[in-house]
This record gives sequence, structure tokens and C-alpha cells, in this order.
Amino acid sequence: EAGVAQSPRYKIIEKRQSVAFWCNPISGHATLYWYQQILGQGPKLLIQFQNNGVVDDSQLPKDRFSAERLKGVDSTLKIQPAKLEDSAVYLCASSPLAGGYNEQFFGPGTRLTVL
Amino acid sequence: AQSVAQPEDQVNVAEGNPLTVKCTYSVSGNPYLFWYVQYPNRGLQFLLKYITGDNLVKGSYGFEAEFNKSQTSFHLKKPSALVSDSALYFCAVREDQAGTALIFGKGTTLSVSS
Repeated sequence: EAGVAQSPRYKIIEKRQSVAFWCNPISGHATLYWYQQILGQGPKLLIQFQNNGVVDDSQLPKDRFSAERLKGVDSTLKIQPAKLEDSAVYLCASSPLAGGYNEQFFGPGTRLTVL
Repeated sequence: AQSVAQPEDQVNVAEGNPLTVKCTYSVSGNPYLFWYVQYPNRGLQFLLKYITGDNLVKGSYGFEAEFNKSQTSFHLKKPSALVSDSALYFCAVREDQAGTALIFGKGTTLSVSS
């Protein structure tokens, strides 16, 4: 079974530029998550999708971050404009169901450096 | 509000010795508890979870964890450590209510020496 795919793996940009990350979850997984992991901290949920609908985006900085999952499969996360404090690893995860007791399957992440 | 604490930034243990990585949590209702492991340049991998039932949970690679409701703890254990267990370990908690997010601790680096 193929795992969660993410691209690019690494990205370096200047502040105020824009950037987009892509995630393809495990086939058949209805729930998709985006996390931000700052160095030395645990992952923090940015947004959760159930199929193509948003379940939780309470911690997404909506003035600069956006995410979509148009066909209920793959997803993109965008930052515009980027700030220095956005430097982090962005993790995508998926799970087959939305229940809180289900484990999540994580992709390798995209390491973003904002200069 | 939910929270997770991993009081140790790093745990050092010799190969063959038992290991414990500590985790305490705070939730309003009943918890769902998870342990994940992260190897360098790789995503998090699920190790084990506690949902309900037996307080001792067994997971991947010989790891186990004990749920202690009175102490609000969910410590990760392994009877005999391997050098290959060296990695970053995260404890996470979620309330058993719809609409709650998974909250991760800050992580504990486990270093197993040969």
C-alpha cells in the first residue's frame, strides 16, 4: 500500500513570497490533515478535511494560509505572503475515518525555510 | 483545554536495558492516547494507542504503554532497548468528543547506546 505522498520535500523562499505544498493521501482515506511542526515542538493541526469539506480550521492563520481539497482526494496548502516564523516542516496525514480513535498516517513532510 | 506534557527532552539508555518515555495529559472528558515515532527526514509513524479497555497496550516493535487514569499518564515502555530504537517520540491526546483535534507533546529524543 502506497503511503502519503508530499511534494516538494524542501523549499527555500524569501519572506513575502508565496509557496504551495501538495499532498496525496492513502487511497480511500476520507480524512486529511495538515500540520505545522516548528523545530523543537510537536506537530500542530492547521486544518482537517473530511472528504472535500473542512472539519476544523480553527488554528489556520487565514490571513495568509489557505488550503483546499477540491475532489476529496489530494490537497494543497498555500502560504501568501510568507513570514520568517512560517519556517517549519509541514506534514500531511490521512486516516480512513474521522473518528478520534483512528490513528493517522503521515507523509514525509515539506521542510520550508523562509529567509 | 487539552494538553500533553513530555517532561524529558532526552532519554539515554544502554542497549538491552529497559526504557521508559514519560507522558502526562489533561483533558476534560475521556482520552484517546497515542504514541508516534519520528526518524530523521521521515514522517511520524504510529506505534500504539489507548482507546478503552485494558490499561496495558502493546504496539509495534515491542513497545507497550500503560494508561493510568488516576495519574493521567501514558508512559511508553520497552523491556529491552535496541540501538535502532533511537528516534524522536511523540505522545498525543484527543478527547472522545467530535470536533476535537489531536494534540501532540513536544517530543522526547531517545538515544540508545551500544
